Formats: sequence, structure tokens, C-alpha cells
Amino acid sequence: DSGVTQTPKHLITATGQRVTLRCSPRSGDLSVYWYQQSLDQGLQFLIQYYNGEERAKGNILERFSAQQFPDLHSELNLSSLELGDSALYFCASSVGGSGKSNEQFFGPGTRLTVL
Amino acid sequence: TQLLEQSPQFLSIQEGENLTVYCNSSSVFSSLQWYRQEPGEGPVLLVTVVTGGEVKKLKRLTFQFGDARKDSSLHITAAQPGDTGLYLCAGVLSGSARQLTFGSGTQLTVLP
Repeated sequence: DSGVTQTPKHLITATGQRVTLRCSPRSGDLSVYWYQQSLDQGLQFLIQYYNGEERAKGNILERFSAQQFPDLHSELNLSSLELGDSALYFCASSVGGSGKSNEQFFGPGTRLTVL
Repeated sequence: TQLLEQSPQFLSIQEGENLTVYCNSSSVFSSLQWYRQEPGEGPVLLVTVVTGGEVKKLKRLTFQFGDARKDSSLHITAAQPGDTGLYLCAGVLSGSARQLTFGSGTQLTVLP
């Protein structure tokens, strides 16, 4: 158990809909990262938050947005869903700071299926 | 083109055999990590290497970071069925904002 929690575990929805994925980081971690993993794209970095502020953006679509709340949990919002958005979505957390390694600890993921 | 190239992409071996997985790049990394992921679960951090030439051992797993910090390898001795999984390398580019870049992974299957 990494200490990172994600809900829901599974989500099935229809095209055009909007969903919200939730993540609680490990106790003491200030950084939260969101990743998308699909069969043909591997693990793709979407966005990072550090202590409530957006820190970095990766390959995140404009239809997707995220935020980190004062209690450090984070939500990833996916809107106008398309079939191609079906994937595993992972949240990871790290202490943050300026160390070399940026070790990240991953949650169990949310499997999104868009029908 | 992947910044981190892993090879082989798939590997199926018999229990007791040895294997090596490679992670290569033309870029320099300030650190490199190896993760193992099982189906439907999140990646689990195995090791972090930060110094060129560094070797770390974790039971039957040996990790090496290249002298130039552009490549890494994972060697498993006497593989067991419990080693089955997707092995991912991930690196922090030197001078970057410390984002992790992941390789495409090596799917290892160890047959009993």
C-alpha cells in the first residue's frame, strides 16, 4: 500500500459526459501528479500540483482540468468525454522540494471506460 | 520517439533463468527510477539511482546507472513467477523541472 488513495476504482460513462476523479496523497506529501495510461501510449504525464498551485503541465487536453485543495487532495475533471479517453488514470504523490530524485508513489488508479 | 527506450518490450522466460532489461536515452538524467506494475494496479517504486556508475541490489534484482547517466539496466537473477509484471524505467532530466519521464515498459512473464 503506497498510502495514495484514489476513487472511484472504476467508472463507466458515455461520450460527452463529465467525470471527476479524486486523489488523496500520502501523508506529508505536497506534490500530486496525474498520469494517463493507455495501451498504445504508455504512462503519460498530465499535470502536477504542489501545495495547491499548478507546477507543471504535460500532455493534458483542454477538456481536462485539475485542482489541488487546501487539504492537499486533488481532483481531475474530464469533460466532453470521447471514446479515446478510456484509460487508466493514476495519481502519484511526492514530498516535493528540490531533491534530485523526485520519487513518486502511485495510487491504485481509476479505470475509466467511455461507451 | 520515446525519450527513454526500453528493451526488450516483451520477455517470456522460464523460472530460474536470468534476464536483463535495458533503459536507454540520448539525454542525461539527474536520477533514474525503476517501477514494477501489475495488471490493474499502480506502479510500485523499486529503486532510485542518482550517481553515474551506481549499482544497487534489491535481493535478486540488480540495478545499474550508466556512467554518463544516459542509461540504466535491471538484472534479475533466478527469476520467479512472482517477478512477472510490467517494468518501467523513469527519469528526471538534468536541468528540468524535475518531471518524471517514463519509458514504454518491459512486460516480463516468468513461467513456472
